[in-house]
Amino acid sequence: GAVVSQHPSRVICKSGTSVKIECRSLDFQATTMFWYRQFPKQSLMLMATSNEGSKATYEQGVEKDKFLINHASLTLSTLTVTSAHPEDSSFYICSVSSSPDLNTEAFFGQGTRLTVV
Amino acid sequence: SQQGEEDPQALSIQEGENATMNCSYKTSINNLQWYRQNSGRGLVHLILIRSNEREKHSGRLRVTLDTSKKSSSLLITASRAADTASYFCATVFVSNTGNQFYFGTGTSLTVIP
Repeated sequence: GAVVSQHPSRVICKSGTSVKIECRSLDFQATTMFWYRQFPKQSLMLMATSNEGSKATYEQGVEKDKFLINHASLTLSTLTVTSAHPEDSSFYICSVSSSPDLNTEAFFGQGTRLTVV
Repeated sequence: SQQGEEDPQALSIQEGENATMNCSYKTSINNLQWYRQNSGRGLVHLILIRSNEREKHSGRLRVTLDTSKKSSSLLITASRAADTASYFCATVFVSNTGNQFYFGTGTSLTVIP
């Protein structure tokens, strides 16, 4: 099956700095990737839909200037948390689907635990 | 919010018993998927049921879908300690701007050996 590689798995950064998280689709070309955030003991909240070659579509309430998404190729999407603050500490997960209409299973990265100190 | 809701939020059962989790959602869907998440890890796909299907089986898993009630259930039979995890339903929501993928609130399952 498809494999999604997400890197890094854990990162600690100082408040005010930026952190980049990579999501790679290893087995197929993904025109669409999704970024989620998950707080402890809560569900995954969709942050944005990353579209290859075009701007990402952000969910309501998600600041596009703070969470920069770049989907420069069919196998790589990056999420950059800019000017990170402690409240940005969370578990970030990406997913890909081989089907543009999401009519097949999605494959998830192992997640990135971000801690902002 | 398009997010679905699951109940119960937490479920604790003895090994060998069956576990049932329910998911309700708000809008028309293309399909509904169930995922499992072990603590602090990524999600693993369990089963997908399309909007024109009513029931699917996969091993010890049985999923039902009632689009008139906008609800789905996941049944895990003969549970094992290794089934301990969080389970999420995810709905593929049909929109004008493209299909979206939303997760339910999740059920934390504990299977006691």
